Amino acid sequence: DAGVIQSPRHEVTEMGQEVTLRCKPISGHDYLFWYRQTMMRGLELLIYFNNNVPIDDSGMPEDRFSAKMPNASFSTLKIQPSEPRDSAVYFCASTSTRAGESNEQFFGPGTRLTVL
Amino acid sequence: GNSVTQMEGPVTLSEEAFLTINCTYTATGYPSLFWYVQYPGEGLQLLLKATKADDKGSNKGFEATYRKETTSFHLEKGSVQVSDSAVYFCALSELNTGKLIFGQGTTLQVKP
Repeated sequence: DAGVIQSPRHEVTEMGQEVTLRCKPISGHDYLFWYRQTMMRGLELLIYFNNNVPIDDSGMPEDRFSAKMPNASFSTLKIQPSEPRDSAVYFCASTSTRAGESNEQFFGPGTRLTVL
Repeated sequence: GNSVTQMEGPVTLSEEAFLTINCTYTATGYPSLFWYVQYPGEGLQLLLKATKADDKGSNKGFEATYRKETTSFHLEKGSVQVSDSAVYFCALSELNTGKLIFGQGTTLQVKP
C-alpha cells in the first residue's frame, strides 16, 4: 500500500479564497482523522470519521471549515473563505480498529498551507 | 478524561549521550501506548508501541516500557545520533473510538 496520500503538498493562496485539501486513506482502514499543526497550538484534532460518517467535529475552529468523506477512499477538508491565521500544516491520518489491532494511526505527509 | 503529559523541551544533547523523554498518562481502562517521531518537514511516523502492561516497545535503538503502576511510558535511547533530532510525541489510544490522545511533543536536538 502507498500509505496515506495527501494533496497538494503545498498550497499558497490569498485571503478570502477557497482552499480544498484532499486525502486518500489506507485501503481497508475504517477511521480517518484531520489534524492541524502550528507552532503556537501544536497538533490539534479537527474532525474524524468512522466508516465515512463524521463522528466528532468539535475541533473544527469555525464554520469556515468543513470536511466530507463521500466514500471510503477519499476525504476533503475545505476552508472558505481562508484567512492568514489558517496557515498551518494539515495532516490526514487513518487507522483500523479491527479486533486485535492496536489503533496505530498512519499519517500522510501533510499539506503546508500559506494564506497571504 | 484521557490525557498525556510529556516533559517539556527542547532537549539538547551531545552525540552518544543517553536520552530519556518522560511521558505519563491518565486513562480509563488499558489503552495502547505509542511514541511517534516527526522529522523536520515530514509527517508523524510510528516509532514504537506497547499494547499491554509491562510490554516493551523498541525500534531503532529506542525503547519504552508500559508501566501501569506509574502510568508512564518513558522513551529511552542509550546513545543518540545527530539524525535523531526530531520532535517526539507520546500518545495513547482511546478505547472504542480509534482516537489517539497526543502529548504536546518534545523537541530533541542532538549536536555533533
